[in-house]
Amino acid sequence: DAKTTQPPSMDCAEGRAANLPCNHSTISGNEYVYWYRQIHSQGPQYIIHGLKNNETNEMASLIITEDRKSSTLILPHATLRDTAVYYCIVIGFGNEKLTFGTGTRLTIIP
Amino acid sequence: EAGVVQSPRYKIIEKKQPVAFWCNPISGHNTLYWYLQNLGQGPELLIRYENEEAVDDSQLPKDRFSAERLKGVDSTLKIQPAELGDSAVYLCASSTEFGELFFGEGSRLTVL
Repeated sequence: DAKTTQPPSMDCAEGRAANLPCNHSTISGNEYVYWYRQIHSQGPQYIIHGLKNNETNEMASLIITEDRKSSTLILPHATLRDTAVYYCIVIGFGNEKLTFGTGTRLTIIP
Repeated sequence: EAGVVQSPRYKIIEKKQPVAFWCNPISGHNTLYWYLQNLGQGPELLIRYENEEAVDDSQLPKDRFSAERLKGVDSTLKIQPAELGDSAVYLCASSTEFGELFFGEGSRLTVL
């Protein structure tokens, strides 16, 4: 699976959009981009995934660049409860082995 | 719908003692995972089950760790004997769709 690079930490003001970047320059054509988050003392939580089109659900939006070498997770109106570590994971269909890196620690500031 | 249930939530033992963790996945989820998470790190896969079959246990230290999933539902992860370096959070997850895992709250192990 392709390796991902994320900034170790980010801050965002409450009520603003949080934009979390992820680089995956070695991604191959059949690999998906998945995002999870982990709130303190809880297990990771699935957020969203995509292959090449932008995706949106009730939690977030995922923007994947045309060359698929990077993506951005967008939390449109961040709240204090969005403070967590966010993991960007690239995985090929059928692999079934999610490999978590160290993620981005997002802190929402009141 | 109930989520993935793990117990115990916390466990403190002395080194060389045995310990076991239990996981009840979401009903209908055939795939079950055990992950290990060290402080400040992301989770690392220990073992994956498809029903009762362990299909990926390449990262499980088999000299001291064992796991079972009888009847393809609940699962138990055991460490015997525990070492100081085993102190970590042990996470169980289940899934029915590729890539979308549902995690429990984890079992935090402290080995003294």
